[in-house]
Amino acid sequence: DAKTTQPTSMDCAEGRAANLPCNHSTISGNEYVYWYRQIHSQGPQYIIHGLKNNETNEMASLIITEDRKSSTLILPHATLRDTAVYYCIVRPSRTDNYGQNFVFGPGTRLSVLP
Amino acid sequence: DTEVTQTPKHLVMGMTNKKSLKCEQHMGHRAMYWYKQKAKKPPELMFVYSYEKLSINESVPSRFSPECPNSSLLNLHLHALQPEDSALYLCASSQESAGNQPQHFGDGTRLSIL
Repeated sequence: DAKTTQPTSMDCAEGRAANLPCNHSTISGNEYVYWYRQIHSQGPQYIIHGLKNNETNEMASLIITEDRKSSTLILPHATLRDTAVYYCIVRPSRTDNYGQNFVFGPGTRLSVLP
Repeated sequence: DTEVTQTPKHLVMGMTNKKSLKCEQHMGHRAMYWYKQKAKKPPELMFVYSYEKLSINESVPSRFSPECPNSSLLNLHLHALQPEDSALYLCASSQESAGNQPQHFGDGTRLSIL
């Protein structure tokens, strides 16, 4: 079972920031938080991941709470092309945990509206 | 554009046919994965290869047979499939199978079983 919970769906106005929350209250100290998105008819696209600190790249920012029990993915200026299903996943970092691979939950369907 | 290439993009086959799905990556990644995704559902892990050896089989029926001929290629051989096996089959790769390495996905093969 997925170890995360996310809203089923969200809307965002084009040009505004999209803030997608994820709850991972049972996360362990060695587990990373990953975000992927899947646009219709494509494979999942890696966005960003982090362990403790906030992270930013050219696509998005990841804000992880101090207790690490939740996180928020921020798309700073959403466009219509950001309409997709967004998946939040937790995964252990230990190299011998071959069985602890990506378990996708249902994700959040983000609709960016003109 | 994805750096993981899957062929064919679409495949229609009868229940008695034998076919193969192919996946290729040239990023020097040593871990490769097969996922199955039913319509409107998240991807589900099927197999993990690490350094060309099968490390995880998530209780997949034997009518699906994976093969990793070398570090860049991953095949999925199909035989005697059932209509319920119709789905999007996704291939992914990562530098290693460790948890702090993001997986990069192809756009999948959409398989229909008649």
